[in-house]
Amino acid sequence: EAQVTQNPRYLITVTGKKLTVTCSQNMNHEYMSWYRQDPGLGLRQIYYSMNVEVTDKGDVPEGYKVSRKEKRNFPLILESPSPNQTSLYFCASGTGPNTIYFGEGSWLTVV
Amino acid sequence: KQEVTQIPAALSVPEGENLVLNCSFTDSAIYNLQWFRQDPGKGLTSLLLIQSSQREQTSGRLNASLDKSSGRSTLYIAASQPGDSATYLCAVRPRVSGGSNYKLTFGKGTLLTVNP
Repeated sequence: EAQVTQNPRYLITVTGKKLTVTCSQNMNHEYMSWYRQDPGLGLRQIYYSMNVEVTDKGDVPEGYKVSRKEKRNFPLILESPSPNQTSLYFCASGTGPNTIYFGEGSWLTVV
Repeated sequence: KQEVTQIPAALSVPEGENLVLNCSFTDSAIYNLQWFRQDPGKGLTSLLLIQSSQREQTSGRLNASLDKSSGRSTLYIAASQPGDSATYLCAVRPRVSGGSNYKLTFGKGTLLTVNP
């Protein structure tokens, strides 16, 4: 079954404590991306990757890092989380502009 | 910069009613437009994708239309059911090369409630 798997699904953390949200896809997709969803703002792209070792900034990259060492994985790293990074995060993958699959989302609360 | 607007923000209808959700975008240089459904606690599920050269797409009770020149799309849901209750999102992809072509710009969504 085609899947994009994110972990953790729910997390409450404290300001400044580094955390990583993992994303893995089993479809051999080259393209992967991270979005955040906030009330009143909709979904906005954080980072994307076109292939292994190729990443680029989206619309709201500040405070985030990513890496793409393997094709299937695209972790989102918050080096020093702040309360304004409290959000619902989605990972997505695809093979081209006509296909995209989303993970089920990760609820992150930073206190 | 592309902006996508969805109207209404929320809609409540009785079961069986036909309804229309609206989406507008500011830059007509799009590659395609996609409608998604989002259920609470779940990810996004793609409903319909319309290429920029197409006028409409249909899947079951759903019909999506695209008027690229006016920057508008509609999602028509026929004979609505309580199971249709969800947030519906419209998203467009730009007509550019490279990674930016994959990027989706989303509207804020329409929260649909279908009452039994």
